[in-house]
Amino acid sequence: GAVVSQHPSRVICKSGTSVKIECRSLDFQATTMFWYRQFPKQSLMLMATSNEGSKATYEQGVEKDKFLINHASLTLSTLTVTSAHPEDSSFYICSAPRMGVTDTQYFGPGTRLTVL
Amino acid sequence: AQSVAQPEDQVNVAEGNPLTVKCTYSVSGNPYLFWYVQYPNRGLQFLLKYITGDNLVKGSYGFEAEFNKSQTSFHLKKPSALVSDSALYFCAVRDGAAGNKLTFGGGTRVLVKP
Repeated sequence: GAVVSQHPSRVICKSGTSVKIECRSLDFQATTMFWYRQFPKQSLMLMATSNEGSKATYEQGVEKDKFLINHASLTLSTLTVTSAHPEDSSFYICSAPRMGVTDTQYFGPGTRLTVL
Repeated sequence: AQSVAQPEDQVNVAEGNPLTVKCTYSVSGNPYLFWYVQYPNRGLQFLLKYITGDNLVKGSYGFEAEFNKSQTSFHLKKPSALVSDSALYFCAVRDGAAGNKLTFGGGTRVLVKP
């Protein structure tokens, strides 16, 4: 099956620091990956689409300078939360559609970010 | 624009009884419909999808869903619920002509009581 990993699974940081979250497709290639944010007991909100070899596409209302996305290879996308603040505390989830296998996205296990 | 509605925040069912989780959708093109399940502090696990073909789709863990075009619905069902089915369920849709971007419903928490 298709597996997507995220690292770290949990991170606690001080306000003002930056945090990098990695999303990897372990057994398939993905030219596109998606980053979501999920608040407690709420649905997933799409933040941005990460594109290998080009700039990410951000959803309306998401600050691109705050949430930096880099799609370095066909198996790795990173989300960096810059100058984190307590309101950035959330559950961040990535997903990737498998190249050549249409229509199904595979989700990572998520990263719990807590900003003190 | 595409949207998904899950009208029930929570569904309670006794173990062994049928389970239904409701979902309605709106897309301008052909709907691609998905169900995912999420366990606490975990990512989403794919259950099943409808793209085309038979309106009744069978998926993982004994779940199935029926695509109803006239009612724009895609309800998730399981004939006999297990306590281990207790989780958060998300319905999602994407417009078949609009790339891979998914839109999720608000989620329905299922609680199966022994």
